[in-house]
Amino acid sequence: EAGVAQSPRYKIIEKRQSVAFWCNPISGHATLYWYQQILGQGPKLLIQFQNNGVVDDSQLPKDRFSAERLKGVDSTLKIQPAKLEDSAVYLCASSLEGTGVGEQFFGPGTRLTVL
Amino acid sequence: GENVEQHPSTLSVQEGDSAVIKCTYSDSASNYFPWYKQELGKGPQLIIDIRSNVGEKKDQRIAVTLNKTAKHFSLHITETQPEDSAVYFCAASRGTGRRALTFGSGTRLQVQP
Repeated sequence: EAGVAQSPRYKIIEKRQSVAFWCNPISGHATLYWYQQILGQGPKLLIQFQNNGVVDDSQLPKDRFSAERLKGVDSTLKIQPAKLEDSAVYLCASSLEGTGVGEQFFGPGTRLTVL
Repeated sequence: GENVEQHPSTLSVQEGDSAVIKCTYSDSASNYFPWYKQELGKGPQLIIDIRSNVGEKKDQRIAVTLNKTAKHFSLHITETQPEDSAVYFCAASRGTGRRALTFGSGTRLQVQP
């Protein structure tokens, strides 16, 4: 079974530029998450989708971050404009929809450096 | 919202010794507690999880215990090996709706050969 795919793996940009990350979840997984992991910390949720609807975006800085999940499959996360403090690894995860909590499978992440 | 605290932040053990990592959580509605292992340059990988209707779960050299009354859970690794060296994260989640994980701050485990 193929895992969660993310691209690019690395990105370096200057502050005030824009950047986009892409995620392809495991086939059949209805729930998709974007997490931000700052160096030395645990991942922190940015947004949760179920199919193509947003379940939780309470921690997404909506003035600069946006995300969409096209047709309930792939997802993109965008930052515009980027700030120095956005330097982090952006992790995408997916899980099966079900009656209880299921295992979340993580992709390898995109390491963003903002100069 | 949920808050998960994890300690120690670093742990160094000799190969063959046991390692214990402890976490506490704040939200009494949380009922799913996974543990993830993260190696350098990779995403977190689930190593074991426990649900609130179970007090202990074991998988070969790894075990997790849960005390819902005290709101804490622990990871136990026995007979540690150098390949166990990584950063370990505990997490907590509610069962329905907003299932996103709230992670602890991580424990860097180093197993000395």
